[in-house]
Amino acid sequence: GIQVEQSPPDLILQEGANSTLRCNFSDSVNNLQWFHQNPWGQLINLFYIPSGTKQNGRLSATTVATERYSLLYISSSQTTDSGVYFCAVERGSGYALNFGKGTSLLVTP
Amino acid sequence: DTAVSQTPKYLVTQMGNDKSIKCEQNLGHDTMYWYKQDSKKFLKIMFSYNNKELIINETVPNRFSPKSPDKAHLNLHINSLELGDSAVYFCASSQGLVVEQFFGPGTRLTVL
Repeated sequence: GIQVEQSPPDLILQEGANSTLRCNFSDSVNNLQWFHQNPWGQLINLFYIPSGTKQNGRLSATTVATERYSLLYISSSQTTDSGVYFCAVERGSGYALNFGKGTSLLVTP
Repeated sequence: DTAVSQTPKYLVTQMGNDKSIKCEQNLGHDTMYWYKQDSKKFLKIMFSYNNKELIINETVPNRFSPKSPDKAHLNLHINSLELGDSAVYFCASSQGLVVEQFFGPGTRLTVL
């Protein structure tokens, strides 16, 4: 099956710092989503981004499908950004999302 | 106005029992999914239904049986619960098959 690798696995930031999370995938995909799992366990949709660039407030994402990677940018981080960020891809054969192992982010005051 | 809801949120039970988790979505979507998140937070697909028809059945023990009474509901029944079934189970839905998926709040199952 398709491999999804996220880096870094863990990240600690001071409030106000910027960060870039990376997602590499091993095959072409039809769908790519970024999620934030907050400390209460809820999975929150951040971006649906099979290709191109999107921005939503302090967050933005870029997917370069031809090079099989996606980046999630977090600017001016806040403590509420803490949690696990997942990248998930879908290849069109079965329609299920294949998740990476996530990047665990801790933002300290 | 919850989009994808699951009940119960927490479920604690003894080994060998049978339990069900319910999922409902009010988004008008035609495809629903069950994912399992293990203790290391890894998320993996279990089942998916499109228009009440099963389209994905990953390598999941036969003790797990999904049931979709209508397009808005996908329930998960688990027989003879084992310690290894302890996990968080997420329901999700989408309109169509290759589009954005939306997740419910999860059900944390603990088997003692």
